[in-house]
Amino acid sequence: ILNVEQSPQSLHVQEGDSTNFTCSFPSSNFYALHWYRWETAKSPEALFVMTLNGDEKKKGRISATLNTKEGYSYLYIKGSQPEDSATYLCAPESGGSNYKLTFGKGTLLTVNP
Amino acid sequence: DVKVTQSSRYLVKRTGEKVFLECVQDMDHENMFWYRQDPGLGLRLIYFSYDVKMKEKGDIPEGYSVSREKKERFSLILESASTNQTSMYLCASAQRNYGYTFGSGTRLTVV
Repeated sequence: ILNVEQSPQSLHVQEGDSTNFTCSFPSSNFYALHWYRWETAKSPEALFVMTLNGDEKKKGRISATLNTKEGYSYLYIKGSQPEDSATYLCAPESGGSNYKLTFGKGTLLTVNP
Repeated sequence: DVKVTQSSRYLVKRTGEKVFLECVQDMDHENMFWYRQDPGLGLRLIYFSYDVKMKEKGDIPEGYSVSREKKERFSLILESASTNQTSMYLCASAQRNYGYTFGSGTRLTVV
């Protein structure tokens, strides 16, 4: 079982604050890193799939960076809004013939208006 | 719009019952997955399948089995439901290099 660590476990910020969280994963046999957003009462929704060391992806106010050599990724949210409140999950994907993701426990973000 | 459909949103079953959770996808994906989500434990992989009639154990397969007779359908079977299988069950399908598409989940309560 892959060891995937996300920190912090939970975060409360005020509307307009910028925030970031971390995902740590084993750097060996790395293939890709996935980020998901999971809002209450909905299904997890894919945000990014990242494969290259140094890669940076952006979707609106949300961006992510990837360091495959040291095994970590950061997710940034600029100017948080209440609708950003969700659990953010990361999942590394290993190389090999079987495609499967091992998810971290997530960071629960609450944005207060 | 691509879809993964889980047959029930809420389910209540008795201890010892055989339970079937159904999942259907319309994206012609090869890979399908079953996870369960429990507070403090995150999403844990039960079983996955990368082709019709193929199945692989995930991290917590004990007490479960699966069936994939057709590409679009992946069923999770609880042979004899127990209270510790009360959980939220999520099905997903995927093509490699793309993210998962999840179903809306089945909240199963075993009493």
